[in-house]
Amino acid sequence: QVQLVQSGAEVQKPGASVKVSCKASGYTFSDYYTHWIRQAPGQGLEWMGWIHPKTGVTNFAPNFQDSLTMTRDTSNSTVYMELSRLTSDDTAIYYCAREKIGETYYGIDVWGQGTTVTVSS
Amino acid sequence: IQMTQSPSSLSVSIGDRVTITCRASQRIGTFLNWYQTKPGKAPKLLIYSASNLQGGVPSRFSGSASGTEFTLTISNLQPEDFGTYYCQQSYKTSYSFGPGTKLEV
Repeated sequence: QVQLVQSGAEVQKPGASVKVSCKASGYTFSDYYTHWIRQAPGQGLEWMGWIHPKTGVTNFAPNFQDSLTMTRDTSNSTVYMELSRLTSDDTAIYYCAREKIGETYYGIDVWGQGTTVTVSS
Repeated sequence: IQMTQSPSSLSVSIGDRVTITCRASQRIGTFLNWYQTKPGKAPKLLIYSASNLQGGVPSRFSGSASGTEFTLTISNLQPEDFGTYYCQQSYKTSYSFGPGTKLEV
């Protein structure tokens, strides 16, 4: 079945980086953007950015232009999200999700299970 | 593009008809989706392109659009509908979520 499976929970110190993976299965990886969205404790959803599966082109929200990196491994249908210079404000659940590429718009329809990232000294 | 939602929370009862409004700071066509979230679970897409029901979502959920104002309606509220609802726009390359509306008993 269609699914996105993310890597496990992370605990990092302030100033460090974290790298989370998202492995796609059950669909054609190259037909869908992969997005990353996070939710801090007690807060709303925050869109971070997406990566194009074929070109590797990325599109980030302004808040993440200097700290976010997204890469993909097409041979393994996996996308990686790396966030650097972590602060306590980056403590959140991080979700990957897919969106179909093309003229017809279907929304962000499948989500990973979420990865908890805790930033603490 | 800034998204606002009203109300921020809503006290409801089973069987109620619920309306949540989302407004965009500029025209976004129909590039507007609605999601439901529950604690410990990934968000679930309910409505895409402002008014299209996602597969598997009950027909008591519906969406509509008028200019920069979008509405999610839940008719005959069921126990499993409690949670927080977010609108999300994806106009051009810009994406953003509304602040959410929490449905409470």
